[in-house]
Amino acid sequence: DGGITQSPKYLFRKEGQNVTLSCEQNLNHDAMYWYRQDPGQGLRLIYYSQIVNDFQKGDIAEGYSVSREKKESFPLTVTSAQKNPTAFYLCASSIGSAGQGSGYTFGSGTRLTVV
Amino acid sequence: RKEVEQDPGPFNVPEGATVAFNCTYSNSASQSFFWYRQDCRKEPKLLMSVYSSGNEDGRFTAQLNRASQYISLLIRDSKLSDSATYLCVAVVPNDMRFGAGTRLTVKP
Repeated sequence: DGGITQSPKYLFRKEGQNVTLSCEQNLNHDAMYWYRQDPGQGLRLIYYSQIVNDFQKGDIAEGYSVSREKKESFPLTVTSAQKNPTAFYLCASSIGSAGQGSGYTFGSGTRLTVV
Repeated sequence: RKEVEQDPGPFNVPEGATVAFNCTYSNSASQSFFWYRQDCRKEPKLLMSVYSSGNEDGRFTAQLNRASQYISLLIRDSKLSDSATYLCVAVVPNDMRFGAGTRLTVKP
């Protein structure tokens, strides 16, 4: 079955540590996205990529980095520069650019906690 | 001002009730809209698209009012399984803007 797989489901980060969240899709979607969700707030866009080897900053890119070396994969690194990383991170993909008909398909998310 | 605003609720309704949510958006260039459903600690899942003419999918009806820049979702004959948070989404170039969601609890 096609879908998006995020791992790990739960992740604990120590102060000053970089961590990488995995996102893999087998839907053959061109576009992929990373969002952050905090309680009481809407999803906020961190980074997005519309084609391989190209990605763009979203609204809250500071303290994060991404790569898109393969169409199927869009990993997110939360660096030590991100001062408040505790949140629910969601990866999504779409056939074309955002909102072209079918909307997004989301992964099941990674819950990151700073310890 | 948030780009997409929703009443956070919670809406607590009995089974069988009809409930309606509204959502307003600020970007008049938005052309497409969606409603997503999100269960507690889970990912959002697409519930339905919202078309200019309005659209219906079983017990769910979505309406768009471009002049007033709001979107509505009507749920008829509420089921216990409808309990969730409903996210309103407005599409802007290269992104979708999400509301913070409206929480619905359907009680026996």
